[in-house]
Amino acid sequence: NAGVTQTPKFRILKIGQSMTLQCTQDMNHNYMYWYRQDPGMGLKLIYYSVGAGITDKGEVPNGYNVSRSTTEDFPLRLELAAPSQTSVYFCASRRTGTNEKLFFGSGTQLSVL
Amino acid sequence: DAKTTQPNSMESNEEEPVHLPCNHSTISGTDYIHWYRQLPSQGPEYVIHGLTSNVNNRMASLAIAEDRKSSTLILHRATLRDAAVYYCILRENNDMRFGAGTRLTVKP
Repeated sequence: NAGVTQTPKFRILKIGQSMTLQCTQDMNHNYMYWYRQDPGMGLKLIYYSVGAGITDKGEVPNGYNVSRSTTEDFPLRLELAAPSQTSVYFCASRRTGTNEKLFFGSGTQLSVL
Repeated sequence: DAKTTQPNSMESNEEEPVHLPCNHSTISGTDYIHWYRQLPSQGPEYVIHGLTSNVNNRMASLAIAEDRKSSTLILHRATLRDAAVYYCILRENNDMRFGAGTRLTVKP
């Protein structure tokens, strides 16, 4: 199993551009999450999904959109990129259950200039 | 929302035990206590979790207070590879929110 795969690994955007961060998992996990991590800080939850067709906001959803059309994929869309969105983005997934552990991808480093 | 409180940073000497504390005074009866760690330039990885009883695995031990208002992650013999940020998290519903964590420095 590849686990959780994120693409791209690095990206530089200009202010106002849009892009989609891709996340896919091959573990048949129902739950998927997007986090951002600013330099020297902890992780902040952006959006999460409990299954295909179901998404919900986390702590910092403004400026982002998500969709979950399949169990495997959970893309994160940035519209009108701003410098405040410069961060490392992590995708994670887990199985259904009260104590199942999260599996993380390797992250996407995004700079908005 | 139930929240956790951890020290910002801790130091340890190599090959000595490390006790990383976490306070969660508003924990509910069904919240599991999870610990993750994040090595430099990597995504977080699972360490251990528990509900009421102390737990052991190959990476660490988790000691949970009887009233469940606090817990301690124990690394029995710290190595340089254990230098990381350690996060204590309470499972609330479906989302998993990370705090700032404790940055552990291991000195040779």
